[in-house]
Amino acid sequence: DAGVIQSPRHEVTEMGQEVTLRCKPISGHDYLFWYRQTMMRGLELLIYFNNNVPIDDSGMPEDRFSAKMPNASFSTLKIQPSEPRDSAVYFCASSSHGVGNTIYFGEGSWLTVV
Amino acid sequence: GENVEQHPSTLSVQEGDSAVIKCTYSDSASNYFPWYKQELGKRPQLIIDIRSNVGEKKDQRIAVTLNKTAKHFSLHITETQPEDSAVYFCAATSKAAGNKLTFGGGTRVLVKP
Repeated sequence: DAGVIQSPRHEVTEMGQEVTLRCKPISGHDYLFWYRQTMMRGLELLIYFNNNVPIDDSGMPEDRFSAKMPNASFSTLKIQPSEPRDSAVYFCASSSHGVGNTIYFGEGSWLTVV
Repeated sequence: GENVEQHPSTLSVQEGDSAVIKCTYSDSASNYFPWYKQELGKRPQLIIDIRSNVGEKKDQRIAVTLNKTAKHFSLHITETQPEDSAVYFCAATSKAAGNKLTFGGGTRVLVKP
């Protein structure tokens, strides 16, 4: 399996622009997570899905952030409009059902908003 | 919700010495505790985990211990090598939390040759 696949790997955009990050989870995994990593705040869970349904979006910082999972093999995280403080590494991760099953991370999308 | 505290935030050890990282958690219902290693510019990767029905688990030079009563768990790395240099994260979750991991703040480990 190719693992969790994220795109783009790197993005530099101007403040105010829309950013869309994409994720393909590992085939067969029914949990999908979006994390944000910064030096100041560490690894933060933004939102997670189970069987394509959003379960907990309490970590989404504000209305500028939205996430969708239209099917079991694809998810997007969108920021509109983007701000410099959104600069971070965004990780998508997936796991199979049940507590104690390994959560696998993608390689991350490195976002810089200037 | 769960809160995970991790100490120290940085740790410098001489090659061959041991390194110990400690974490505490707040939710007594948490029953799964993984440890992730993140090398510079890379993704976090699971290195070892422990479940609440086990007090200790070992995998070569890495071991984890869990004290459910005190709500803390630790990572022990013996005979450290330069390739152990990375950031290490502890995490906790439970069935009630829906498999949602709460991470500690991370420990930056530097192994000096």
